[in-house]
Amino acid sequence: GAVVSQHPSWVICKSGTSVKIECRSLDFQATTMFWYRQFPKQSLMLMATSNEGSKATYEQGVEKDKFLINHASLTLSTLTVTSAHPEDSSFYICSAQTGGNSDTQYFGPGTRLTVL
Amino acid sequence: DAKTTQPTSMDCAEGRAANLPCNHSTISGNEYVYWYRQIHSQGPQYIIHGLKNNETNEMASLIITEDRKSSTLILPHATLRDTAVYYCIVRVAVTDKLIFGTGTRLQVFP
Repeated sequence: GAVVSQHPSWVICKSGTSVKIECRSLDFQATTMFWYRQFPKQSLMLMATSNEGSKATYEQGVEKDKFLINHASLTLSTLTVTSAHPEDSSFYICSAQTGGNSDTQYFGPGTRLTVL
Repeated sequence: DAKTTQPTSMDCAEGRAANLPCNHSTISGNEYVYWYRQIHSQGPQYIIHGLKNNETNEMASLIITEDRKSSTLILPHATLRDTAVYYCIVRVAVTDKLIFGTGTRLQVFP
């Protein structure tokens, strides 16, 4: 299957700082990428849909000014958590697909964010 | 968005077939059923998907009922490494979104 990577795999930061997480499709071009968040012992929650070259579409309740998403190329999307606080500590996971309603989404390994 | 209902947990003996059921009674005609699994602290892994017909790949088989209101994921010979949370998801037709439910926690025991 297709490979999606994330960097970093884990990060610890101080409250008030910003953290950038990268999501890359390694062996295919991803017209659409998705960002999810997962709290301990809970399921994945979709945060936003990112299409290459256009603004991301955020799910209800997700602050677009706090979670900045950029999808500048067909192989890279970034999520920046701005002014992070301890409640933003979570497991952030991206997925990527080539396009079309029958294309499979492939997930990255996730990034563990801990805000002190 | 079509919702799915799965048992919270299941056990399976190593080497036996694991049959994981899923109900999706509100599925629309052009919506696919996807199965993913998540091993602790990793990203979800794609297993299989289908629209109407039964599907089989190297990992599993997917049996979809004729009315498409339910499906079963079959792992033919479960191993300890198959212990994971299995998610049955109906993919939203227009937006391609995957809305994750709570999934089934499958425990494979020796």
